[in-house]
Amino acid sequence: QQQVKQSPQSLIVQKGGISIINCAYENTAFDYFPWYQQFPGKGPALLIAIRPDVSEKKEGRFTISFNKSAKQFSLHIMDSQPGDSATYFCAASKWGSNYKLTFGKGTLLTVNP
Amino acid sequence: NAGVTQTPKFQVLKTGQSMTLQCAQDMNHEYMSWYRQDPGMGLRLIHYSVGAGITDQGEVPNGYNVSRSTTEDFPLRLLSAAPSQTSVYFCASSSPGTLYGYTFGSGTRLTVV
Repeated sequence: QQQVKQSPQSLIVQKGGISIINCAYENTAFDYFPWYQQFPGKGPALLIAIRPDVSEKKEGRFTISFNKSAKQFSLHIMDSQPGDSATYFCAASKWGSNYKLTFGKGTLLTVNP
Repeated sequence: NAGVTQTPKFQVLKTGQSMTLQCAQDMNHEYMSWYRQDPGMGLRLIHYSVGAGITDQGEVPNGYNVSRSTTEDFPLRLLSAAPSQTSVYFCASSSPGTLYGYTFGSGTRLTVV
């Protein structure tokens, strides 16, 4: 069974700080890596995604860093805000099979004011 | 745009009962999937469909059945509910080849007593 390992399970950051969540994957066929944000009682919402042709992708305060040789990717949230407090999931799949995402177990981020 | 609509939002079943969780999307997406979310387990794929009339099993298919008679609808059937099926169920849809196309519904919280 292919896995995506996510760490840490929980993270507490002060307002204005940097939040970093890491994921590692096993299946070298994976070439699509999205991150999802989930608020309590809501469905996951796609936050940012990357493919292996680039090592970094930035959208506003959110950045994905990708290391193909290490089979790792991470989410950086710059200038973290209390409104960023949520559960974050990394996921992976083959590009043509994004209906079969393999998810990490999630990271509960709390940003203190 | 309604996006992905799931009904009901909450349901309590007795062990052994059967029921159908409804999922409908209005984005003309080819791909649809069902996931279950359990505390500390992330999201796990139950069944998926790549088009009308085509379905396949995911990681945790036992006890569930699906069909896809139209592009819009992808119901999930619980054949004989068990307490182990207590979970939050999410339906998702996407189109092939889109970086940001995977959309989740708001979920159905199911309790089996």
